[in-house]
Amino acid sequence: EDQVTQSPEALRLQEGESSSLNCSYTVSGLRGLFWYRQDPGKGPEFLFTLYSAGEEKEKERLKATLTKKESFLHITAPKPEDSATYLCAVQYGGSQGNLIFGKGTKLSVKP
Amino acid sequence: NAGVTQTPKFRILKIGQSMTLQCTQDMNHNYMYWYRQDPGMGLKLIYYSVGAGITDKGEVPNGYNVSRSTTEDFPLRLELAAPSQTSVYFCASSYSGSNYEQYFGPGTRLTVT
Repeated sequence: EDQVTQSPEALRLQEGESSSLNCSYTVSGLRGLFWYRQDPGKGPEFLFTLYSAGEEKEKERLKATLTKKESFLHITAPKPEDSATYLCAVQYGGSQGNLIFGKGTKLSVKP
Repeated sequence: NAGVTQTPKFRILKIGQSMTLQCTQDMNHNYMYWYRQDPGMGLKLIYYSVGAGITDKGEVPNGYNVSRSTTEDFPLRLELAAPSQTSVYFCASSYSGSNYEQYFGPGTRLTVT
């Protein structure tokens, strides 16, 4: 069964305490892996797209990496404004409808 | 650019009523999507469209219908609302289908009682 699993479900960090979020997937024919940020009461906001194993992308304090089975979102020296739910999504196979979102990791950064 | 807009923001329906959730994008994107998001669950794809006049089912299409008469608009129709359709609905669009990021609207919170 095609699946996308994110861990942990929730993560509490102190400001400046670096950590990583995980997104593992079991699909055939990966076409792209996406990271989104979602603030309460709002729609998801695009962060990164990764296409192949070994690829890395960075944006401010965030860095996304991809292997054949999982992706990591590394957060370096987080600030309270980084608090949000981070969603991972995987597009696979030949149909545009083959898109699975994980349940997300809720990140809280305390000052 | 307003991006992706959705109306209404909130709605309460009685069981058996019908309604249309509106979605409009001004980015000239060909691809549009409808998702539902339930508490503690991932976004589930309801329907998507690859262009005007073309729609296809996603993972959870039962109880919903869509149409795409223009590039800009992609309304979602709920017929005979049921409590199981209580959810937050998000519309999204993308420039292309292959690996392009999606831009999401602010969502519609629907309660069916």
